[in-house]
Amino acid sequence: GIQVEQSPPDLILQEGANSTLRCNFSDSVNNLQWFHQNPWGQLINLFYIPSGTKQNGRLSATTVATERYSLLYISSSQTTDSGVYFCAVGEWDNAGNMLTFGGGTRLMVKP
Amino acid sequence: KAGVTQTPRYLIKTRGQQVTLSCSPISGHRSVSWYQQTPGQGLQFLFEYFSETQRNKGNFPGRFSGRQFSNSRSEMNVSTLELGDSALYLCASNGKTGLNTEAFFGQGTRLTVV
Repeated sequence: GIQVEQSPPDLILQEGANSTLRCNFSDSVNNLQWFHQNPWGQLINLFYIPSGTKQNGRLSATTVATERYSLLYISSSQTTDSGVYFCAVGEWDNAGNMLTFGGGTRLMVKP
Repeated sequence: KAGVTQTPRYLIKTRGQQVTLSCSPISGHRSVSWYQQTPGQGLQFLFEYFSETQRNKGNFPGRFSGRQFSNSRSEMNVSTLELGDSALYLCASNGKTGLNTEAFFGQGTRLTVV
């Protein structure tokens, strides 16, 4: 099956700093989503981005499908950005809705 | 519109018992997927149901099963619980975004097996 790797595994930032989270995947995908897991465990949708670039406020994401990676940018980080960020992909030849998750990046933003 | 609803939110069970978890998807979504999250294994796909049929299955033992009803609500069942089944179980409601499908998750059910 497809492999998904996220880096870095842990990241500590000072409030106001910028960061880039990376997601590499091993095969063609028909779906790529970025999530933020809140302290209660719920996965909050950030981006649905199988290709291209999107922006939402201080967050933006870029997926280069031909090179099998995606980047999540967080600018002017805030303490509320803390938590775990997951990248998840759906395999190109899978007819259903099965996501394979990366191991996550645990972000801590210090005041 | 209402989001994905999972019940119960928390559950404590004893080894050997069985448990049933419920998931109500977003109105209009016909596909529901289940995932298990543990500290050691991360987030792993359990199975997916679409129009009452299992469409995909992850690599879990037969003790893990599920079903979907005609109103798209889904249940998953774990029989003969083991300590290692303690986990956060997440349900995703899958709906069309453009040509492909986007997953929206519920708040999860946190299961503790003692």
